[in-house]
Amino acid sequence: GIQVEQSPPDLILQEGANSTLRCNFSDSVNNLQWFHQNPWGQLINLFYIPSGTKQNGRLSATTVATERYSLLYISSSQTTDSGVYFCAVESIYSGGTSYGKLTFGQGTILTVHP
Amino acid sequence: NAGVTQTPKFQVLKTGQSMTLQCAQDMNHEYMSWYRQDPGMGLRLIHYSVGAGITDQGEVPNGYNVSRSTTEDFPLRLLSAAPSQTSVYFCASSYSTGTGEQFFGPGTRLTVL
Repeated sequence: GIQVEQSPPDLILQEGANSTLRCNFSDSVNNLQWFHQNPWGQLINLFYIPSGTKQNGRLSATTVATERYSLLYISSSQTTDSGVYFCAVESIYSGGTSYGKLTFGQGTILTVHP
Repeated sequence: NAGVTQTPKFQVLKTGQSMTLQCAQDMNHEYMSWYRQDPGMGLRLIHYSVGAGITDQGEVPNGYNVSRSTTEDFPLRLLSAAPSQTSVYFCASSYSTGTGEQFFGPGTRLTVL
């Protein structure tokens, strides 16, 4: 099946710093999502981005589908950004259309200190 | 919209007991899925459904049963719980057409003693 690798595994920042999280995947995808899992365990949708670039406030994401990677940018980080960031993908070979059969990476644990 | 709801939030079972984790969505999504998350890991797909009456296995289906009698509900059954099934379980749903973007419920934390 498709492989998903996220880097770095851990990241510690001071409030106000910027960061870039990376997601590499091994096959062509028809679905790529970035999630934030907060300290209470809730999974929050950040971006649906199988290709292209999107921005939402201090967060932005870029997926270069032809090179099989995606980047999540966090600018001016805040303590509330702490948690685990997951990249999840669905291979185009999972059945043609997107069935929402996501394969998750191991996540990046982000800690933002005040 | 309540989105994706899951009950219970927490559950403790003894080895060999059975139980059903409930999942419901009110967004008229056709696709629904169950994932489990073990400590320090990402989520892994257990079972999924592309519509009422249609289910299929994901990456880690052993020990779990599902059925989909309505569009709204997708329960996950543990017939004989084992300690290896101690995990956090997430239900998700998405539209059948369009993006396939998945939306997740709040999770059920299950401990099997």
